[in-house]
Amino acid sequence: EIVLTQSPGTLSLSPGERATLSCRASQSLSTRHLAWYQQKPGQAPRLLIFGASSRATGIPDRFSGSGSGTDFTLTISRLEPEDFAVYYCQQYGSAPLTFGGGAKVEIK
Amino acid sequence: QLQLQESGPGLVKPSETLSLTCTVSGDSISSNNHYWAWIRQPPGSGLEWIGIVYYSGSTSYNPSLKSRVTISVDTSKNQFSLRLTSVTAADTAFYYCARLNLLERQFDPWGQGTLVTVSS
Repeated sequence: EIVLTQSPGTLSLSPGERATLSCRASQSLSTRHLAWYQQKPGQAPRLLIFGASSRATGIPDRFSGSGSGTDFTLTISRLEPEDFAVYYCQQYGSAPLTFGGGAKVEIK
Repeated sequence: QLQLQESGPGLVKPSETLSLTCTVSGDSISSNNHYWAWIRQPPGSGLEWIGIVYYSGSTSYNPSLKSRVTISVDTSKNQFSLRLTSVTAADTAFYYCARLNLLERQFDPWGQGTLVTVSS
């Protein structure tokens, strides 16, 4: 099983700042099968990025994904008030499908 | 626009069976390009994949739950369902259904989720 480790667990930033979230895999995986989600309180997760770097429909371009092998990154270039949430990475390049533990971006 | 909606009891007794249904609207569940999935999230915790089903009925499950899980599909109703047997308090969670893309393997969209509490 591929374990996804997200860091930091919590990121305290101000609106307008840049957020960089890491997702490290225990084994190398295909960039094609790495996705990122955003979850706000009381809501279902929402797809942000698939294929490690492709934005989902309707996702603003301040969200970007990068990485390969075992190290992947989600970057939010300038935080908007609505971006404060929990973010999860997910892989299904290798069964079983797994999620990272989540990373919270909170207002400083 | 594709929408998914979970339905089922919000309270299940310990040792009994949890049963949920996901109704798909806005697209056919008989898609060659997608799986249909269940994911759960204990309150205040992270996401756990439960399993997936293809319209043909083929399935894949999380090994940690495999002995207790059955996911099935009813193409005539455009629905798929989850059965989880012998539940305990540890199965208390928000249960989400979602569509999984066959190629890039991402979940989109998700249902709104339903809270299932296991308690006597």
